[in-house]
Amino acid sequence: AQTVTQSQPEMSVQEAETVTLSCTYDTSESDYYLFWYKQPPSRQMILVIRQEAYKQQNATENRFSVNFQKAAKSFSLKISDSQLGDAAMYFCAYRRAGIRNTPLVFGKGTRLSVIA
Amino acid sequence: KAGVTQTPRYLIKTRGQQVTLSCSPISGHRSVSWYQQTPGQGLQFLFEYFSETQRNKGNFPGRFSGRQFSNSRSEMNVSTLELGDSALYLCASSSDGATEAFFGQGTRLTVV
Repeated sequence: AQTVTQSQPEMSVQEAETVTLSCTYDTSESDYYLFWYKQPPSRQMILVIRQEAYKQQNATENRFSVNFQKAAKSFSLKISDSQLGDAAMYFCAYRRAGIRNTPLVFGKGTRLSVIA
Repeated sequence: KAGVTQTPRYLIKTRGQQVTLSCSPISGHRSVSWYQQTPGQGLQFLFEYFSETQRNKGNFPGRFSGRQFSNSRSEMNVSTLELGDSALYLCASSSDGATEAFFGQGTRLTVV
């Protein structure tokens, strides 16, 4: 079974600084997708960024970027120029690739605080 | 385009009762998945429906069931509620074969 581990239950960052959230996963599959979701107090899970395992290039979305190390099964999220609105729970998630949708497997989450 | 809509947002039920939660997916999305979120267990997959058929199922007891209608709207039912069923229930919709899932704001269920 696939597992996703987020080893940092809580992190904090100063506004405008950079923070990196860690995620490791375990799978025997070669084709899969990885995601970072953000869950603010409103509770809605918002997709931050995704990475296809077959792509070597790390995904970026504005201030958000990932460091995808397939061999090490590591998928960290870097948030640059942190803003107060970035404060939320962040979940790393894995999904096996396939023609048909497969369930998302989530880590336990990292609570990020942004200090003004 | 409207997002995923879950109703109701909050529910309080008594042990032994049953409850039905509703999810309307993004227009055009035929896949609807349900997840349970608790502080202890985190986010766990319940089941997925596609074109009115249950396609995937997580490891939950038979008290948890669901269905999907021809318009892709989905309902989740929990019978004989237990205190441990108190959780945030999240619904996600996807296009088939799509990589990402889009979530609703969830239904907070409290069992007393």
